[in-house]
Amino acid sequence: KAGVTQTPRYLIKTRGQQVTLSCSPISGHRSVSWYQQTPGQGLQFLFEYFSETQRNKGNFPGRFSGRQFSNSRSEMNVSTLELGDSALYLCASSLGDRKETQYFGPGTRLLVL
Amino acid sequence: LAKTTQPISMDSYEGQEVNITCSHNNIATNDYITWYQQFPSQGPRFIIQGYKTKVTNEVASLFIPADRKSSTLSLPRVSLSDTAVYYCLVGQTGANNLFFGTGTRLTVIP
Repeated sequence: KAGVTQTPRYLIKTRGQQVTLSCSPISGHRSVSWYQQTPGQGLQFLFEYFSETQRNKGNFPGRFSGRQFSNSRSEMNVSTLELGDSALYLCASSLGDRKETQYFGPGTRLLVL
Repeated sequence: LAKTTQPISMDSYEGQEVNITCSHNNIATNDYITWYQQFPSQGPRFIIQGYKTKVTNEVASLFIPADRKSSTLSLPRVSLSDTAVYYCLVGQTGANNLFFGTGTRLTVIP
């Protein structure tokens, strides 16, 4: 079974631009969570989508948004990019039950100049 | 918020057994304990998950005492390729209180 895939793997943007990242979960998985990882803050939860609905949200500004499609694929959007948004963005998928393990993708490395 | 505390770093020689302990005093009844391994610039890789007592799979064992306020990941006979950061997570998948913490940087020495 194929794992979680994320595109693109690397991205360079400038301040003020917006960016869209994509995540394809493991086949059959209905939950997709997004995380931001930086050297200073570690891994922080952004939000979780389940059956096309945002089920949980972390403590990030409204510039960070996401959505999930009927095939469970998810996209994350960051508008008005700031230098501090430079990070590794990870998505993880699971079956959806709270006790189920989540599996992470390889991440998208975003650099904001 | 079930925060976790782990040692920042550990060193071990190749072939030895490594035990990494995680403290989680505020664990809730519905919380599971999950360990991940992460290499630089890669996504975390699932190692093992448990709720109580002992869980074993082909790569590791997880020991959880009765009070569940701590857990120990045991890696048998580590090799150089086990050099990575190990995260202990307590909570439920997709929950906004899932706290990764700083992880433990394990360095395996030849």
